[in-house]
Amino acid sequence: ETGVTQSPTHLIKTRGQQVTLRCSSQSGHNTVSWYQQALGQGPQFIFQYYREEENGRGNFPPRFSGLQFPNYSSELNVNALELDDSALYLCASSGPSSLAYEQYFGPGTRLTVT
Amino acid sequence: DQQVKQNSPSLSVQEGRISILNCDYTNSMFDYFLWYKKYPAEGPTFLISISSIKDKNEDGRFTVFLNKSAKHLSLHIVPSQPGDSAVYFCAASTPDKLIFGTGTRLQVFP
Repeated sequence: ETGVTQSPTHLIKTRGQQVTLRCSSQSGHNTVSWYQQALGQGPQFIFQYYREEENGRGNFPPRFSGLQFPNYSSELNVNALELDDSALYLCASSGPSSLAYEQYFGPGTRLTVT
Repeated sequence: DQQVKQNSPSLSVQEGRISILNCDYTNSMFDYFLWYKKYPAEGPTFLISISSIKDKNEDGRFTVFLNKSAKHLSLHIVPSQPGDSAVYFCAASTPDKLIFGTGTRLQVFP
């Protein structure tokens, strides 16, 4: 069974740029959620995708957007990067082969905005 | 508005003793509560969960207790082992997301 994978591991961007982060869900999972974890904080929910549609969204501005593909992998796009976007971005999957509330996380992408 | 709170940022426990990590929440509508463990450079790993209709769930060395009247849950680790040293997050589940606390760093020393 393949776990959740994310790429890249680390990324450095300049303020105002755009970034795309990628996630492959665990096999058997059809739902992907994205979280932002700032230093010293718990993960904060950005949004969730199910059947290629956004299924819920946290308190993040529209410049945070996402996609889910037919194979259930997902992308997180952030436009007009700000310094405060520097964080660990976590992808989590869940689905019919697990209890719906149990989410399984990838290792994260560390984004630094300078 | 912090709906899930972990008021102890750190905890240090001797190997073999009990570790007790605490979590408080404000929303009575949460249906499940979960504990995750996180090592550096890794994503959070699911540890144990409890339904809001239960008051206890046990899995090996890990037991979670839920006190609904106090809106409080705790994770007990017995006996604690050095490999348990990590950051522990409690989380509350809604239909579409998990709401996390800020974490407690547990250090188990020999």
